Amino acid sequence: DAGVIQSPRHEVTEMGQEVTLRCKPISGHNSLFWYRQTMMRGLELLIYFNNNVPIDDSGMPEDRFSAKMPNASFSTLKIQPSEPRDSAVYFCASSLDTYGYTFGSGTRLTVV
Amino acid sequence: SQKIEQNSEALNIQEGKTATLTCNYTNYSPAYLQWYRQDPGRGPVFLLLIRENEKEKRKERLKVTFDTTLKQSLFHITASQPADSATYLCSTNAGNNRKLIWGLGTSLAVNP
Repeated sequence: DAGVIQSPRHEVTEMGQEVTLRCKPISGHNSLFWYRQTMMRGLELLIYFNNNVPIDDSGMPEDRFSAKMPNASFSTLKIQPSEPRDSAVYFCASSLDTYGYTFGSGTRLTVV
Repeated sequence: SQKIEQNSEALNIQEGKTATLTCNYTNYSPAYLQWYRQDPGRGPVFLLLIRENEKEKRKERLKVTFDTTLKQSLFHITASQPADSATYLCSTNAGNNRKLIWGLGTSLAVNP
């Protein structure tokens, strides 16, 4: 298994531009999580899906952030418009059980 | 609300010694605590989970304890090796859902 696959690995964009991050979870996992990691705040859950349905999006910072999971093998996190304070590493993780999440390698986003 | 606190100071130890990392929670006793390892530029990797009713859990050179009186979990690496150098994260569930909260992690450096 290739694990959780995220793309791109790095993204540099100008303030105001739209950014789309992509994630392919592990086949058979029924839950998918989007996290943001910064030095100051650590890992913060943005949203999670169970069986492709968004369950908890209370961590999404504001309306500029949106996430979709059109099928069991693909999810996107979109930021529009992007701002410098969105600069962080964004992780996607998937799991079958309540614990033991498998994380992707992350997307390092820099908004200038 | 529940918070996870980990020692922010880096831990430096000599190869062969036992490394001990601390995770404290601030509020109610969680159903379980998880420990993950994170290497630079990578996503966290699940190591061990310990449940509230378990005092200790072992996996090869790793040992985790859970003390509900002290509101604390200790993570031990025996016979440490330079390859154990990484950041170690503690996490737990935030209520009756799959939302995890995370500590900021403790950086461990094992010197040869």
